[in-house]
This record gives sequence, C-alpha cells and structure tokens, in this order.
Amino acid sequence: EAGVTQFPSHSVIEKGQTVTLRCDPISGHDNLYWYRRVMGKEIKFLLHFVKESKQDESGMPNNRFLAERTGGTYSTLKVQPAELEDSGVYFCASSQVGGAETQYFGPGTRLLVL
Amino acid sequence: QKEVEQNSGPLSVPEGAIASLNCTYSDRGSQSFFWYRQYSGKSPELIMSIYSNGDKEDGRFTAQLNKASQYVSLLIRDSQPSDSATYLCAVSTGGFKTIFGAGTRLFVKA
Repeated sequence: EAGVTQFPSHSVIEKGQTVTLRCDPISGHDNLYWYRRVMGKEIKFLLHFVKESKQDESGMPNNRFLAERTGGTYSTLKVQPAELEDSGVYFCASSQVGGAETQYFGPGTRLLVL
Repeated sequence: QKEVEQNSGPLSVPEGAIASLNCTYSDRGSQSFFWYRQYSGKSPELIMSIYSNGDKEDGRFTAQLNKASQYVSLLIRDSQPSDSATYLCAVSTGGFKTIFGAGTRLFVKA
C-alpha cells in the first residue's frame, strides 16, 4: 500500500510569488491534515479535511493560505503571495475514518522563501 | 506556557540502557496521547499511542500516562544506535486536531 505522498519535495521561491503544494493521502483515508514546521519550532496544525469538507482550519495563519480538496482525494495548499516567514516544512497526514487519530505522515515539502 | 512541553535535549544514553523521555501538557481535557519518532530530514512516524492512565508496552517501548499530573512519558529499553532520533510528544483533545511538542533529541552511543 502506498503511503502519503507530497509534491514537490523542495521549493525555493522569491517573496511575493505563489507556490502550490500537493498531497496525495493513503487510498481510502477520508481524513487529511496539513501541518507546518518552521525552523526550530514545533509542528503546527494548519487544517483538517474530512473528504472534501474543511472540518477545522483554525491553524491557518492568514488568508494568504488556501487549501482545497476537490473530490475528496488529493489536496493542495496554495500560498499567495509568499512571505519570508512562510519558509518551513509542510507536512501532510492522513487517517481512516475509524482510526482517525492514527495519522500517517507524508515526507513533507521543504519551502524556502527568499 | 506551551500546550505541550518537552525537554529539547539532547538526551544521550549508552547502547543497551533505558532512555526516558518526558512530556507535560496543559489542557486537562486532552484525551489521546502519542509518541512520534522523527529521523533527521524524514517525516514523523507514530510509534505509540495511549489513551488511559497507566502503562502501555509495545516491544522495547513503554508509554506511561498520568492524567492527574498531565504527564506522559516514553521509555525505550535496550536502546540501540538506530533509536537515535527526535521524539515528538503529541496530544489531542478528542477532536482531530493534534498539538505537538517541539521534540526531544535522543542520541544512543554505541
């Protein structure tokens, strides 16, 4: 069974540009989460989807961040326009409906905003 | 006060010893507790979950939970160099939002 995949693995962009991160959860997992870890800090929750619906987006930093999960399969996280403080590692995780609290993490996207 | 606190370490133990990792949390309503292992440059991997007071053992790993003291710990017996990683404590209040600690770096010396 394939794990959670994320694309790209690394992204280097300039301040003001737009970046879109993609996450493909484990097949059959209705729950999808986005997290971010900035340098030296803990992993922070950004938001949670159940299928295509946003259940909790309390961790989204501001309106420059937009997450979507059309069709309830893969998800994208767009940052527009990117700022220096957006640099970090963005993790995606997924879980089954029944075992919602056992989250499987993807390898992360390392974003550097210059 | 951070919601989930861990000593950042590094914690250094000799091979074969017991490594003891500790975590405290602030929300008394927390219901689910997790330990993740993260190797450098890799994604977090769930190694233990615990939901009720007491001990839970899985192989060389034992998780301990004391809700009255708001304290969670992870013991690693017979530590191996391959156990060297950052260990993340994570807590959930019953919904799907998980709060992570900053992690404790563990070094197991051969």
